[in-house]
This record gives sequence, C-alpha cells and structure tokens, in this order.
Amino acid sequence: DAKTTQPTSMDCAEGRAANLPCNHSTISGNEYVYWYRQIHSQGPQYIIHGLKNNETNEMASLIITEDRKSSTLILPHATLRDTAVYYCIAGGVYGGATNKLIFGTGTLLAVQP
Amino acid sequence: NAGVTQTPKFRVLKTGQSMTLLCAQDMNHEYMYWYRQDPGMGLRLIHYSVGEGTTAKGEVPDGYNVSRLKKQNFLLGLESAAPSQTSVYFCASSRGTGGFEQYFGPGTRLTVT
Repeated sequence: DAKTTQPTSMDCAEGRAANLPCNHSTISGNEYVYWYRQIHSQGPQYIIHGLKNNETNEMASLIITEDRKSSTLILPHATLRDTAVYYCIAGGVYGGATNKLIFGTGTLLAVQP
Repeated sequence: NAGVTQTPKFRVLKTGQSMTLLCAQDMNHEYMYWYRQDPGMGLRLIHYSVGEGTTAKGEVPDGYNVSRLKKQNFLLGLESAAPSQTSVYFCASSRGTGGFEQYFGPGTRLTVT
C-alpha cells in the first residue's frame, strides 16, 4: 500500500471550509484514496473514497489531482463537532471490496469558535 | 442494528495471562479486521478475515491469534499477554464486493501490567 503524508495539525474557523491536504506520490493505479476521521478515542468513521474522479457526499468533497499524487479533503462548513484526527489512506481492493487499510498518524483538525 | 460491538470495553491483565476479545457484527459483512492503536499513533492492522473460516496476517500479527468460526464473529486471542500489548483494540467490518467503507466498533482498552 502507498504511504501518505499529511500535516500534523491544522486549525479552521467554525463555519469556514476546512481543506485537508494529503500526498500519496507512490500510489499505484489500482489503489483508492480513502479518508476516515477519529473523534477523541472513538472508533474511526469513514468519510469518503475515490479512485480518479472528484467525489462528493453529504459529509465532504474529495479532490484528487490528475496525476493522483495528492488529494484534498474539503469539509465545506466546519463545525466544532468536526474537530478530530483525519486519516488519508491509499489502499488496495481485494475481491471488489476494500481490503487492508494502513493508517498513518493523520492530521489533527481543530475547529475554533 | 447494533453495528459492530466489542466485548469487553476495558480489561486489565497481568503479564503472562491470556484473554480473548470478541467482535460481533450484525450487518452480514464478509470482511472483518482487528487493529490496535497505541497513544499518539494511527491504527495498525493485526489480522483480518475475508470470509467465514479464513484469516490472514496484517502489519503486526505477532503475539496474537484470531478465529472466524462464524460469519458474524471475529475473535482476537492473546495467549501470553505482555506489557507491549497494552493498547486500544478496534474491530471493524466491511461488505464484500462493492464494500469500500469499514465500520468500526467502540474499542477495547487493554492494560497489561
């Protein structure tokens, strides 16, 4: 699985968009980009995933560069409840489903009032 | 649906003791996973299973054994606990084909003295 690089921490003002970057320059062609978050020692929560195209769901948007070497997770209107550690993971697929995920240390996003 | 549940929530062991952590899911998922998370670190995959009766090693399998006798259950065993196994253990599950999202349990906090 490809290694990812994320900033250790970021701040964001409540109500503003939070843009979390991730580098995955060694990602292979069949590896997806996944984003999870972990709120204060709870189990991680899935946010979004993508392969080549940009993706959007009710939680966030995922922008993947054309060369797939980096991506950005966008939380359009951050709230205090979005304060969490955000993990960017480049992982493979087995049998048509997510297989092993290799978590790094993630980005601690602190949303400020 | 209860989702993914873990038993117990907390446990203190003495070095050399054994124990089994139970993970149960009621979503009829094919894949199940065991991770550990040490303070200030991301999650590391211990073992995983892609179907009933199958198991495979993850990043850090030494000192642990697993079994998947029933589709809904995934057991993690420590035969002879060591202080280095003090950690928070998370179980997760995901669908088979088309299942890109892993659903995590609330975690088991294990201390080995």
